[in-house]
Amino acid sequence: DTEVTQTPKHLVMGMTNKKSLKCEQHMGHRAMYWYKQKAKKPPELMFVYSYEKLSINESVPSRFSPECPNSSLLNLHLHALQPEDSALYLCASSFRDRDTGELFFGEGSRLTVL
Amino acid sequence: AQSVSQHNHHVILSEAASLELGCNYSYGGTVNLFWYVQYPGQHLQLLLKYFSGDPLVKGIKGFEAEFIKSKFSFNLRKPSVQWSDTAEYFCAVNARSSGSARQLTFGSGTQLTVLP
Repeated sequence: DTEVTQTPKHLVMGMTNKKSLKCEQHMGHRAMYWYKQKAKKPPELMFVYSYEKLSINESVPSRFSPECPNSSLLNLHLHALQPEDSALYLCASSFRDRDTGELFFGEGSRLTVL
Repeated sequence: AQSVSQHNHHVILSEAASLELGCNYSYGGTVNLFWYVQYPGQHLQLLLKYFSGDPLVKGIKGFEAEFIKSKFSFNLRKPSVQWSDTAEYFCAVNARSSGSARQLTFGSGTQLTVLP
């Protein structure tokens, strides 16, 4: 079982909808991540938050809007998505100040855009 | 920037066969190395990791990997595979750095199919 919890597990939305993906961890990690994974492909980094501040944005379209309300929560707000945005969205977290480099992944939110 | 290569895209084995999946990375500095597994329809799970020390690391479910610094390799091995090992396997590299959040770079993945 993973200690990173993502909701919802499945989401179907139209191109005009606004929805949000949520991620929560209580391991005291101070870095949190959003990855996008298409079928049979490796995860691709989207955003990194470090100490609740956005530190990396991998040129993600503005229809994806991340938010880190506090050290335990990470949201991904979705608006005006395209069908090609359908994918598994993975949240991960890691210790910020320990030299382990290990990321802990959630189970993902499977998004379908109609 | 670091990069990771997994040269085997799809490996098909019979049960009880031995497994070795290749992983090579390019980065001149010190790295942390990982193997993740993703079973059909499931999330990423950590198989094993290497940070320092003994270059032969053992993970869950009988998997092991050997870090060979001179070859920039971190190959995954299992002496005898089972049908339940059918999954996608990802090698990942995380370059050590100070003052920045971690970035994990994944290889393209290897689909392992084990025939009963």
